[in-house]
Amino acid sequence: GAVVSQHPSWVICKSGTSVKIECRSLDFQATTMFWYRQFPKQSLMLMATSNEGSKATYEQGVEKDKFLINHASLTLSTLTVTSAHPEDSSFYICSVRGENYGYTFGSGTRLTVV
Amino acid sequence: DAKTTQPPSMDCAEGRAANLPCNHSTISGNEYVYWYRQIHSQGPQYIIHGLKNNETNEMASLIITEDRKSSTLILPHATLRDTAVYYCIVRVAIIIQGAQKLVFGQGTRLTINP
Repeated sequence: GAVVSQHPSWVICKSGTSVKIECRSLDFQATTMFWYRQFPKQSLMLMATSNEGSKATYEQGVEKDKFLINHASLTLSTLTVTSAHPEDSSFYICSVRGENYGYTFGSGTRLTVV
Repeated sequence: DAKTTQPPSMDCAEGRAANLPCNHSTISGNEYVYWYRQIHSQGPQYIIHGLKNNETNEMASLIITEDRKSSTLILPHATLRDTAVYYCIVRVAIIIQGAQKLVFGQGTRLTINP
């Protein structure tokens, strides 16, 4: 499967600021990436599908203006949490759909908004 | 919504086989069954996937019933490091984008006891 690098692994930011999380596919040209969010003791919730060169597809209930996704190249997708608030504190995970069995996940980013 | 049902938790003794069940009674003919696991504060790790035949790799075996309405993941010789949350996922198709997303259910928290 693809090798996926997610950065940063953790970040603390002040309420009202924006935070950018990067997801890189190191050995595979990924036309599709996925972004998930996970709250403590809960399962992963799909937020959006990131498509290279086009707009992301957001799941129902996810605010596209708050969670900005950019997939400008075949190796990089970014998730920007804009005007972050404490309730946005969560574990954010990206996934790359590669070839063969296809789905490799990043190591996740722990976001804490204070 | 996730299309799978799993028991919330299971225990298994170290060295024994761990058998994790999953029900997916509404699975379609062209949908795959995937298994992932997540160790605390990490991204999910791929284990195995299958369509209708039983599958085996270096990590586990996947047994799919003939009617495909359920499956069992088998870890043949469980170790303490196999303690994790195990997710059974049916791959859902995104019709518009042509890509296929993974929707996670609640998973089974497997604890391997010494």
